[in-house]
Amino acid sequence: GQQVMQIPQYQHVQEGEDFTTYCNSSTTLSNIQWYKQRPGGHPVFLIQLVKSGEVKKQKRLTFQFGEAKKNSSLHITATQTTDVGTYFCAGPDSNSGYALNFGKGTSLLVTP
Amino acid sequence: KAGVTQTPRYLIKTRGQQVTLSCSPISGHRSVSWYQQTPGQGLQFLFEYFSETQRNKGNFPGRFSGRQFSNSRSEMNVSTLELGDSALYLCASSPTTDRVTEKLFFGSGTQLSVL
Repeated sequence: GQQVMQIPQYQHVQEGEDFTTYCNSSTTLSNIQWYKQRPGGHPVFLIQLVKSGEVKKQKRLTFQFGEAKKNSSLHITATQTTDVGTYFCAGPDSNSGYALNFGKGTSLLVTP
Repeated sequence: KAGVTQTPRYLIKTRGQQVTLSCSPISGHRSVSWYQQTPGQGLQFLFEYFSETQRNKGNFPGRFSGRQFSNSRSEMNVSTLELGDSALYLCASSPTTDRVTEKLFFGSGTQLSVL
């Protein structure tokens, strides 16, 4: 079945360093979504990308959707301690669009 | 607007028991999805309901079931609990209608521990 994979699994950075997480799908996606889960919290929607090659920015966060619509990335510039959490990508299930398949996430730890 | 509400927040059960979890979606959202989150497996899709109809079911045994009521509130039930069912169960509502899933709004989850 469809798989959504993320790397790295963990990332530990010093505050001020940049951070990137990568997401790859085994199938072409109609859209890709990113979520953030703080420790002890629940996933919170960040953004949705729909178009091939799309790039969207939210302050220090830059999201990209690959040309083939099978991969995506999230880049954080100059990390802050508030960026700590697990970042998930998710894409609609290829068999049914009503389910989102989530990657296993990248856990980001930021040291002051 | 109130967010997604899940009850109870924590639950402790023993093997063989059954459990029912409740979810109230954001007002106006007719789609409700359930996910199981564990440290090893991440977020795994259980099922999705729209207007009281189950539109999709994940790869879980028949012990996991759910339903949605006419007011869009949803419940999920797990019968004959196993130790491996210990997890955070997340409910999410979405404004999606008949298109592919739009963004999900998650509740705080129910942390289930099976002893």
